[in-house]
Amino acid sequence: KAGVTQTPRYLIKTRGQQVTLSCSPISGHRSVSWYQQTPGQGLQFLFEYFSETQRNKGNFPGRFSGRQFSNSRSEMNVSTLELGDSALYLCASSAFNEQFFGPGTRLTVL
Amino acid sequence: AQSVAQPEDQVNVAEGNPLTVKCTYSVSGNPYLFWYVQYPNRGLQFLLKYITGDNLVKGSYGFEAEFNKSQTSFHLKKPSALVSDSALYFCAVRDGDKIIFGKGTRLHILP
Repeated sequence: KAGVTQTPRYLIKTRGQQVTLSCSPISGHRSVSWYQQTPGQGLQFLFEYFSETQRNKGNFPGRFSGRQFSNSRSEMNVSTLELGDSALYLCASSAFNEQFFGPGTRLTVL
Repeated sequence: AQSVAQPEDQVNVAEGNPLTVKCTYSVSGNPYLFWYVQYPNRGLQFLLKYITGDNLVKGSYGFEAEFNKSQTSFHLKKPSALVSDSALYFCAVRDGDKIIFGKGTRLHILP
């Protein structure tokens, strides 16, 4: 069974731009969560989707948004990028109280 | 709100010695606790979980964790450390539909 895949793996953007990250969950998993990892703040929960509905949202500004498609694939979007948005963005799909993480997308904002 | 704490930023252990990475938790209700490992430039890998049942949980790569309700702890252990165990370890607790992570403990296994 294929694992969680995330694209792209690396991104470089400049301040003010926007970015879209993609996550494909494990086949059959309907829940997808997103996390931001930075050296200073550690791992922080962004949001979680289940069957195309956002069920939970972390404490991030409205510039961070996401969506989930009918095939459970999920995207997250960050608009008006700031230097502080540079981070590793991890996606996880869930089943049976266990989360399976993808390799992450490394976003660098210059 | 649920939370976990990892009191040590870094732990150094000689290869072949037993290792312990500490985690304490604060939850309302029954805790769902996890340990994850992250190798350089990689995503998180699941090691083990405690939902209910036996207090000693066995996981991947020879790791185990002991759930202690009276001390609200869930320490990660391994009887004999390998250099390849060097990585960043996260303790986590489930809070509804999201996972709350500790700050992480960097484990260095010295050859």
